[in-house]
Amino acid sequence: GESVGLHLPTLSVQEGDNSIINCAYSNSASDYFIWYKQESGKGPQFIIDIRSNMDKRQGQRVTVLLNKTVKHLSLQIAATQPGDSAVYFCAENKAAGNKLTFGGGTRVLVKP
Amino acid sequence: NAGVMQNPRHLVRRRGQEARLRCSPMKGHSHVYWYRQLPEEGLKFMVYLQKENIIDESGMPKERFSAEFPKEGPSILRIQQVVRGDSAAYFCASSPRDIGTSYNEQFFGPGTRLTVL
Repeated sequence: GESVGLHLPTLSVQEGDNSIINCAYSNSASDYFIWYKQESGKGPQFIIDIRSNMDKRQGQRVTVLLNKTVKHLSLQIAATQPGDSAVYFCAENKAAGNKLTFGGGTRVLVKP
Repeated sequence: NAGVMQNPRHLVRRRGQEARLRCSPMKGHSHVYWYRQLPEEGLKFMVYLQKENIIDESGMPKERFSAEFPKEGPSILRIQQVVRGDSAAYFCASSPRDIGTSYNEQFFGPGTRLTVL
């Protein structure tokens, strides 16, 4: 079936270094890809999204890259901070229906 | 402007009881979504509602689960005769009225953690 999945379940990164979180997807019909951050005991928080006709989009300290050829999505966090410690989910959205399909998540641990 | 509100935050039920989870969307939002999350897993879509209408319930179990979003008041996710497998975090999200774009950002509430004993 169609799914969105992640390669790495846990990522440990030194404070100040850059983080890269990867995600593979299988549904070529998706219109948007979105990254969410979820801290312990809280709901997912929107980070950044990218439309399927784009390759790259930048936000504040974050960059999302979309490679449609290999169906791969990544989130880059620059100068990772302790507050970035959380579980990160990629999700995809189709034009019709608006429901989000989430991947399994990657836990990011920032070491001081 | 308050965010999406969910209550209760924690709910404990014994097997066979009913669970009612409530969600108040952000002000001005008329679209509500319910998702379920098991520990260490991603969220799974359950149902998408607009006021007084169920738009997509493809993720809802066929039995025991129901959802509504009345004209007045919060959206309700109802689970009848709960079983241990229903233990999970249930998240509600809301988005603004569709203005013709293909995607509306969804804003999530803090979730309700249901524990079935």
